[in-house]
Amino acid sequence: DTGVSQNPRHKITKRGQNVTFRCDPISEHNRLYWYRQTLGQGPEFLTYFQNEAQLEKSRLLSDRFSAERPKGSFSTLEIQRTEQGDSAMYLCASSRGDEQYFGPGTRLTVT
Amino acid sequence: KQEVTQIPAALSVPEGENLVLNCSFTDSAIYNLQWFRQDPGKGLTSLLLIQSSQREQTSGRLNASLDKSSGRSTLYIAASQPGDSATYLCAVKEAGANNLFFGTGTRLTVIP
Repeated sequence: DTGVSQNPRHKITKRGQNVTFRCDPISEHNRLYWYRQTLGQGPEFLTYFQNEAQLEKSRLLSDRFSAERPKGSFSTLEIQRTEQGDSAMYLCASSRGDEQYFGPGTRLTVT
Repeated sequence: KQEVTQIPAALSVPEGENLVLNCSFTDSAIYNLQWFRQDPGKGLTSLLLIQSSQREQTSGRLNASLDKSSGRSTLYIAASQPGDSATYLCAVKEAGANNLFFGTGTRLTVIP
């Protein structure tokens, strides 16, 4: 059990570019979550997968955002046409029961 | 909508002191409450999980209590150490929901 991993750890992109982040959950965790955290704030929920099914999306997940979890293993979060307001830490978490385990996050900076 | 508040926003204590961090939530229909630690620029480390039916949980020098009816939880840290310096976040999961609602955290500094 190596914990939740996320790649890349840091991403700098220019406004208007597309970016994709990857999350590898703890093996055998069937639930996967994406959160976004801005400076000085707590994480805010973006979306939730149970196995390969995306069961819940928050209003924060605009149509420029898309998430997938093919085969119920790793997950990707893509942001199209990035804006400066997308600059944040993107956190992935996984769980099998009630306790959520978080990865180290991907810090996105949009210039 | 569930709102989670953590007071104080920042706390500085000398090494060896016992301290209490506070968390309050507006909707008492929660399923569980989780306390996390976050080091600067890092992800979250789960510290304690309290189910709604429980009153407290302990792990080493940490003790978390839950008073669901009053919408409050506390995290007690005994004999604080400089390595405890971090931001502490509480998060609640509502009954029937999948996501966590987070507070904004308490930034703790333990002075050697």
